[in-house]
Amino acid sequence: GDSVTQMEGPVTLSEEAFLTINCTYTATGYPSLFWYVQYPGEGLQLLLKATKADDKGSNKGFEATYRKETTSFHLEKGSVQVSDSAVYFCALTHLSGNTGKLIFGQGTTLQVKP
Amino acid sequence: DGGITQSPKYLFRKEGQNVTLSCEQNLNHDAMYWYRQDPGQGLRLIYYSQIVNDFQKGDIAEGYSVSREKKESFPLTVTSAQKNPTAFYLCASSIEGTFQTDTQYFGPGTRLTVL
Repeated sequence: GDSVTQMEGPVTLSEEAFLTINCTYTATGYPSLFWYVQYPGEGLQLLLKATKADDKGSNKGFEATYRKETTSFHLEKGSVQVSDSAVYFCALTHLSGNTGKLIFGQGTTLQVKP
Repeated sequence: DGGITQSPKYLFRKEGQNVTLSCEQNLNHDAMYWYRQDPGQGLRLIYYSQIVNDFQKGDIAEGYSVSREKKESFPLTVTSAQKNPTAFYLCASSIEGTFQTDTQYFGPGTRLTVL
C-alpha cells in the first residue's frame, strides 16, 4: 500500500542553519504531497503542498519540490529560527475509491537552539 | 474567523466509561475526519464523513463511533471497547474529500487520558 517515510529525529540545529528533512513516498499514480507542522500541544497546520510532479510548494521560507523520479518531497529552509522548533509531518493523499485519504509519515522533531 | 474547534482540550475518563469528543467547523466543508496520534507516531485515520448522514470507517475504527447529523459537527465517541484509548485526537475537515488535491485543515486536538 501507499506509505510515507521520513528521516528520524530529533534534528537539532543552531539558529540560522540550513534545514533539510527528507521525505520519500511509495504510491501508485500521482498523489498530492503535503508538509504539516505541529507545535507543542497543538493541532497540525498546513505548511505547504504540491499536487503534481516538479511543483514546488513554499511558505514562510520553507520549500519542497515534488520529485517523481526519486519519489521524494524533501523539506528545506535556508535559515531556521528558534520559533521553527516543532514536529514536521510529510503526507500524501491517496484516492481510495472516491475518497482522498491522507497518509502520514511518522514525523520529524526539529529543535533549533539560539 | 473560520476554523475548526475541538472541545475539551483535555479529557480524563475512567476505564469502562464512554466519552464523546466534540468537533465543530464553520468552514462550510463537506468532509470531516477523525485521527488518532500516539507519541512519536504519525496520525491514523479513525472515521471520515464526506456528507451529512454518511460516514465510513478508517484504518482503526474498532472501539469508536461517530455521527454526522449536521454539516458543521462530527462528534467522536470513544467506547469502553477501545482497548487503549489514551491518545491525542485530532479532527480535520476539507472542502469535498473526493479530490486528491483537497487540503485537510486540522483542529487544535483533544488529549484523552484514561485513568
